[in-house]
Amino acid sequence: GQQVMQIPQYQHVQEGEDFTTYCNSSTTLSNIQWYKQRPGGHPVFLIQLVKSGEVKKQKRLTFQFGEAKKNSSLHITATQTTDVGTYFCAGPHRLGSGGSNYKLTFGKGTLLTVNP
Amino acid sequence: GAGVSQSPSNKVTEKGKDVELRCDPISGHTALYWYRQSLGQGLEFLIYFQGNSAPDKSGLPSDRFSAERTGGSVSTLTIQRTQQEDSAVYLCASSVRDGVLHNSPLHFGNGTRLTVT
Repeated sequence: GQQVMQIPQYQHVQEGEDFTTYCNSSTTLSNIQWYKQRPGGHPVFLIQLVKSGEVKKQKRLTFQFGEAKKNSSLHITATQTTDVGTYFCAGPHRLGSGGSNYKLTFGKGTLLTVNP
Repeated sequence: GAGVSQSPSNKVTEKGKDVELRCDPISGHTALYWYRQSLGQGLEFLIYFQGNSAPDKSGLPSDRFSAERTGGSVSTLTIQRTQQEDSAVYLCASSVRDGVLHNSPLHFGNGTRLTVT
């Protein structure tokens, strides 16, 4: 089946340390999206990557899409306590056979905790 | 403007009872998704609506689950004869169009936390 896997499941860092989460898909993706969910909150869209080998930056966050468009990573430089939360990657998968509707398949996420 | 609104925010029900969860998407958003999130788990796709078209129900876990969307706007997810394994946070998301392929992200509501006792 269509799967999106993320590692690690949990990551605890000291404030100021770097953090990376990795995402792998069982199938080639047309794009990959990243969401952040703060504790007690709902997922919030961070970014979408579309091109093979694409790299995008948002301040201390760097997102990469693999050359084969099957894997992605999110790297946070010098973590802060505001970075705490669960980071999800998600890729589109067709609904039904031959249909034109798609769903987002989410990984299980990486829970980041930061010790001040 | 207002985001995706879900109600109730919390629902405790007894096993065997029916529940209705409501989602009010962002005005103008044609695509609407329901997902389920169990404790410490990812988001499990349930159902997809696009405008007034027939929904894709391929993610519904059993025939006790159903959903409708009236007038291409508000959606209701109904769970009949609830079971303890139905306990989870039910999240609704909308996007301007089919956001998963186009640069139109999903906007999630705060979810309904369902507890079946």
